[in-house]
Amino acid sequence: GDSVTQMEGPVTLSEEAFLTINCTYTATGYPSLFWYVQYPGEGLQLLLKATKADDKGSNKGFEATYRKETTSFHLEKGSVQVSDSAVYFCALRYQGGSEKLVFGKGTKLTVNP
Amino acid sequence: GAGVSQTPSNKVTEKGKYVELRCDPISGHTALYWYRQSLGQGPEFLIYFQGTGAADDSGLPNDRFFAVRPEGSVSTLKIQRTERGDSAVYLCASSATGTQPQHFGDGTRLSIL
Repeated sequence: GDSVTQMEGPVTLSEEAFLTINCTYTATGYPSLFWYVQYPGEGLQLLLKATKADDKGSNKGFEATYRKETTSFHLEKGSVQVSDSAVYFCALRYQGGSEKLVFGKGTKLTVNP
Repeated sequence: GAGVSQTPSNKVTEKGKYVELRCDPISGHTALYWYRQSLGQGPEFLIYFQGTGAADDSGLPNDRFFAVRPEGSVSTLKIQRTERGDSAVYLCASSATGTQPQHFGDGTRLSIL
């Protein structure tokens, strides 16, 4: 079945460092792709999305590009802040049918000052 | 405006008991989803409602789990004869339609002793 694989965490960076969190997927057809973020003590929030190949989603300085040829949707940010410390989840959504989300296991990011 | 509301935020009960978890979606959202998140894992799909009907219940793990949405708004997830393995955070999400982004509640943390 469809699945999402994220890089293992935790990831620890210093403030202003460059961030990459890898995400690859296996899916039939062409799913929509998402990054969700869960800040400490809060619920899941949509960070960004891309609905078709070569689309780039961006928000709050984060970016991810939907790469069909490599079935990837890596999350990047040029300069992280302490406030970016959170757990990041990559997800895909089935096209048609129930539109349910399939999530990766999550990657915990800690940014130190 | 109000987001997705879930009650209770925490529930502790004994093995074998019956529990009900409530989800109040964003007003006007026709699609409602239940997910379950175990420690260190991403959310896993349980069931999807479009209006009052369950459009996809393929994620329910067994017949001890049941969910309803009788008026197309509030939904209740019901678990009979609870087991320790049911301990998890139960998340509810809603979206304006099945193809729009899903907005998550803060979840109900269920602990089975």
